[in-house]
Amino acid sequence: DVKVTQSSRYLVKRTGEKVFLECVQDMDHENMFWYRQDPGLGLRLIYFSYDVKMKEKGDIPEGYSVSREKKERFSLILESASTNQTSMYLCASRLRDFMNTEAFFGQGTRLTVV
Amino acid sequence: KNQVEQSPQSLIILEGKNCTLQCNYTVSPFSNLRWYKQDTGRGPVSLTIMTFSENTKSNGRYTATLDADTKQSSLHITASQLSDSASYICVVQTTGGGNKLTFGTGTQLKVEL
Repeated sequence: DVKVTQSSRYLVKRTGEKVFLECVQDMDHENMFWYRQDPGLGLRLIYFSYDVKMKEKGDIPEGYSVSREKKERFSLILESASTNQTSMYLCASRLRDFMNTEAFFGQGTRLTVV
Repeated sequence: KNQVEQSPQSLIILEGKNCTLQCNYTVSPFSNLRWYKQDTGRGPVSLTIMTFSENTKSNGRYTATLDADTKQSSLHITASQLSDSASYICVVQTTGGGNKLTFGTGTQLKVEL
C-alpha cells in the first residue's frame, strides 16, 4: 500500500513562528503536492514538486515556501505564521504520468496559529 | 474559470438506504473525474477515476457515473452503512495547465441508525 505520512496530526504555533510541515511518501513517486483545506473552499494547491529540488507555485503560494531535497520528502514552510494560515494541510503524491494516475493523500495536519 | 460544484452540501440518510450525490463541472479541457471519500480529520481516499470514454464505474457499493456532454457526474451509494458517513469530494483533472486538479467543496453525508 502506498503511504503518505505527514509528521504531525495537530500543531499549535504562535504568530510569527517559523513552521515546518513534513511529508514523506514510500512509493518512489515523482510528484508531490501541498494543499490547504478550509470549510466551504475545498482543497487549494499551495505548491507542488515534480522532481528533487524542483518546485512550482500553485494557486495560493503567498506566505509559504517548500523544500524537496530528497525524492521521498516534501516540506512546507511557513516563514512567519499568521492566524489566517490556520487550516488543515494535506500532502499528496503521485507518479510522474499525471494523466490518470492515482493521487494519494496523507492524513492531514491541523495547524492552529494563535 | 474552472469550477466544480457539488450538491447537496449535506445529507442525512438512514442506514440501509441509498443516496446519490451530484457533481457539475466547467473544467476544460477535461482529462478525468475522480471521487474521493474523506473521513473527518483524515486525508481523502480515492473511490473512482473516470476518463472521457467511461460513463460508469463501480467500487463495491459506490457507483459513479459520468456524462461528459452535460459535464455532470453522480456518485450513488447503495445500502448505506454508518461507516459511509464522510465528506465526498468530486475532483476534475484538466489536460492543460500542468494537469491540474480542481476540487469541489464536498457533500457531507451522515448515515444514522
